[in-house]
Amino acid sequence: DADVTQTPRNRITKTGKRIMLECSQTKGHDRMYWYRQDPGLGLRLIYYSFDVKDINKGEISDGYSVSRQAQAKFSLSLESAIPNQTALYFCATSGQGAGTEAFFGQGTRLTVV
Amino acid sequence: AQSVTQLGSHVSVSEGALVLLRCNYSSSVPPYLFWYVQYPNQGLQLLLKYTSAATLVKGINGFEAEFKKSETSFHLTKPSAHMSDAAEYFCAVRNSGYSTLTFGKGTMLLVSP
Repeated sequence: DADVTQTPRNRITKTGKRIMLECSQTKGHDRMYWYRQDPGLGLRLIYYSFDVKDINKGEISDGYSVSRQAQAKFSLSLESAIPNQTALYFCATSGQGAGTEAFFGQGTRLTVV
Repeated sequence: AQSVTQLGSHVSVSEGALVLLRCNYSSSVPPYLFWYVQYPNQGLQLLLKYTSAATLVKGINGFEAEFKKSETSFHLTKPSAHMSDAAEYFCAVRNSGYSTLTFGKGTMLLVSP
């Protein structure tokens, strides 16, 4: 089984709909992240959480919200999807050390029509 | 905030040729630097990381990178390209406060026979 699992892997939704992307990890790490990938822009941080009671905005949090249901679960919601949010979304987790790497899920490809 | 710049959105090499992917960082404190690879339709996989233990870092699949403080660089190299190396490569830096990772915009490596 993968260390970081994202569901769904692909989703097409209509403008204005609410959608939730889910992420779970088996690494036992406290830190979890949501990134968005767009061609030519790399990965940009949407939200991150350092433990269950800690939620922080990243550089592009507008239009998104998150929920940390447990140490292992971190979900991302689009309250009212817009076409501009069409992208590849990645969940990641890492340990606390400064030199520790992040482990990524396989990604969710979201299309808003 | 710390940042990374990857020079060249696309790099083309012939099979067997040297691979050089460039990454320059901006940081007021000693950084932690990472190289990730993304194969088509997959998540990001760590290639190697610099955590101040050694300036020349060896990673998976024959890749290595050298940290040069005087040049604020962390370029990725491989002596001989293989067709299977075709992928997108991302350089990343750990932000001040050792919290989140900031990614470059990525470099697509194309390998021709």
